[in-house]
Amino acid sequence: DIQMTQSPPVLSASVGDRVTLSCKASQNINKNLDWYQQKHGEAPKLLIYYTNNLQTGIPSRFSGSGSGTDYTLTISSLQPEDVATYYCYQYNSEMYTFGAGTKLELK
Amino acid sequence: QIQLVQSGPELKKPGESLKISCKASGYTFTDYAMQWVKQAPGKGLQYMGWINTQTGKPTYADDFKERFVFSLETSASTAYLQINNLKNEDTATYFCARKGGSYWGQGVMVTVSS
Repeated sequence: DIQMTQSPPVLSASVGDRVTLSCKASQNINKNLDWYQQKHGEAPKLLIYYTNNLQTGIPSRFSGSGSGTDYTLTISSLQPEDVATYYCYQYNSEMYTFGAGTKLELK
Repeated sequence: QIQLVQSGPELKKPGESLKISCKASGYTFTDYAMQWVKQAPGKGLQYMGWINTQTGKPTYADDFKERFVFSLETSASTAYLQINNLKNEDTATYFCARKGGSYWGQGVMVTVSS
């Protein structure tokens, strides 16, 4: 199975900061990667699909990029409501996998 | 509107079985596969596998090839997750999600304890 490694595991940032979360695949996943946001006690929410496509209704401060094995989720100006855990998710192979998540906290 | 509504919380003893439901509405059930995701308390998301809603063929991740069964009741637009011979480590919230990721059930909290 393809392994997805997210970094950092925990990120503390201030309101208004530009925040970058990373996700590295164990092999080329051909941009077949989504990003999810999960707040405590809720189901995950799709933010970005196919590396860089913003899901309907998601604020434009969220963006995604990457190719090959390396992918990034960027929040251009962190807001208090962005406190959550973020997961990358690959669907390049028949068996899909999630990263372990990055927990985003307010400093 | 599109919804996935899952059954309620479960409290089971080790060795027992359970069956969780995921009822879809607002779209044609057989147009999209259904995925299952496990989240143990305080842990991350773990992909369990998916079921083809047209053929009923399930595909399981390696950790879920034993004791776990995906099934369908197409006439009722419902997908099921059955877990046999429950173990303490099956304690988790189980989510169904329409393939594509836009729609998720609310999750079912399963507690396995003697």
